[in-house]
Amino acid sequence: EPEVTQTPSHQVTQMGQEVILRCVPISNHLYFYWYRQILGQKVEFLVSFYNNEISEKSEIFDDQFSVERPDGSNFTLKIRSTKLEDSAMYFCASSEVDPGSQYFGPGTRLLVL
Amino acid sequence: GENVEQHPSTLSVQEGDSAVIKCTYSDSASNYFPWYKQELGKGPQLIIDIRSNVGEKKDQRIAVTLNKTAKHFSLHITETQPEDSADYFCEALYGGSQGNLIFGKGTKLSVKP
Repeated sequence: EPEVTQTPSHQVTQMGQEVILRCVPISNHLYFYWYRQILGQKVEFLVSFYNNEISEKSEIFDDQFSVERPDGSNFTLKIRSTKLEDSAMYFCASSEVDPGSQYFGPGTRLLVL
Repeated sequence: GENVEQHPSTLSVQEGDSAVIKCTYSDSASNYFPWYKQELGKGPQLIIDIRSNVGEKKDQRIAVTLNKTAKHFSLHITETQPEDSADYFCEALYGGSQGNLIFGKGTKLSVKP
């Protein structure tokens, strides 16, 4: 069964550093999403992406964040100048239609020290 | 602002009993309502969803009901099993297609054998 994959599974970084989280969505899906989940809290929507551009973004997704689909398979989330409060699980998801069934990746645990 | 209220935050039931989790939403234009199950250390997994043009959907032991007038939707799990123990999140789509997807705060379900 096709699945969304994410790399790395976990990353530790120093405050102020840039990180890039990578996702490979399911191959025939056209809509891509990033979410984050701070430990013990609910999942929060960050951004949706379709046709090589951002469709929607939340208040969390400020100028510190950017997304890119650099090739036909990868979907990346870049966090510039990380802050302590960026520590969270980051989930990528993809869907064939929107709105539609979203399939989540296993997540990347980011720890900012 | 946009919000999804989810209750209860924790739910403990005996194996074989039913479990019901309820979410309310504020945007009457919301038209897509998925439910996710999240096991410890894993990403959310879609278990059932419903669109605003139907009132109920069932898949084996899981059902979702939608009351558009009252703006709430509920997850029903019958004949609960210990493996149903997990965090459950509701989600509502705001802003139409490709809009924001807002998660509820989650319900920790414990099924006691």
